[in-house]
Amino acid sequence: GQQVMQIPQYQHVQEGEDFTTYCNSSTTLSNIQWYKQRPGGHPVFLIQLVKSGEVKKQKRLTFQFGEAKKNSSLHITATQTTDVGTYFCAGPGSGGSNYKLTFGKGTLLTVNP
Amino acid sequence: DAGVIQSPRHEVTEMGQEVTLRCKPISGHNSLFWYRQTMMRGLELLIYFNNNVPIDDSGMPEDRFSAKMPNASFSTLKIQPSEPRDSAVYFCASSFLRTQETQYFGPGTRLLVL
Repeated sequence: GQQVMQIPQYQHVQEGEDFTTYCNSSTTLSNIQWYKQRPGGHPVFLIQLVKSGEVKKQKRLTFQFGEAKKNSSLHITATQTTDVGTYFCAGPGSGGSNYKLTFGKGTLLTVNP
Repeated sequence: DAGVIQSPRHEVTEMGQEVTLRCKPISGHNSLFWYRQTMMRGLELLIYFNNNVPIDDSGMPEDRFSAKMPNASFSTLKIQPSEPRDSAVYFCASSFLRTQETQYFGPGTRLLVL
């Protein structure tokens, strides 16, 4: 079945440093979604990328979708303590299973103030 | 909108007891998902409903788990009998499924089975 891998599993940074998490799918994706889960919270949708090579920005967050639509990355510039949490990527299944999101295991980001 | 509502938020029970988790999806959403989250296995889809009909229950661990959606505004996930290995956070999520729509998660139920 479809697999979505994320690296790294954990990342600890000093406030102000940059952070990047990478997502790789075993299959070509029609789109990729990113979610953030704060400690003790629930996953919250951040963004969806659809087009090959697409780049989207949300303030200090930059999201990229690979040309082959099998990988993606999230880059945070100048991290802040409010960025703490686990970042998940998720890809839908193909064909009749497109409702089913396969989530990566996530990257836990901690920020030292 | 209040978002997805789940109850209870926390549940502590003893092995063998029945546990019922409840979910109210966002009004107007026609798809509902139950997930289980653990450190070891991450987020796992348990069951998916579309227009109140179970479409995919391949993620339900075993016969001890059952889910219902009697109407568009309510769903339950029941574990009977519960076991310690069922301890996890259970999330309900809803979406308006056109094509690969985003999912809106509830706050979750943190279940501990002793």
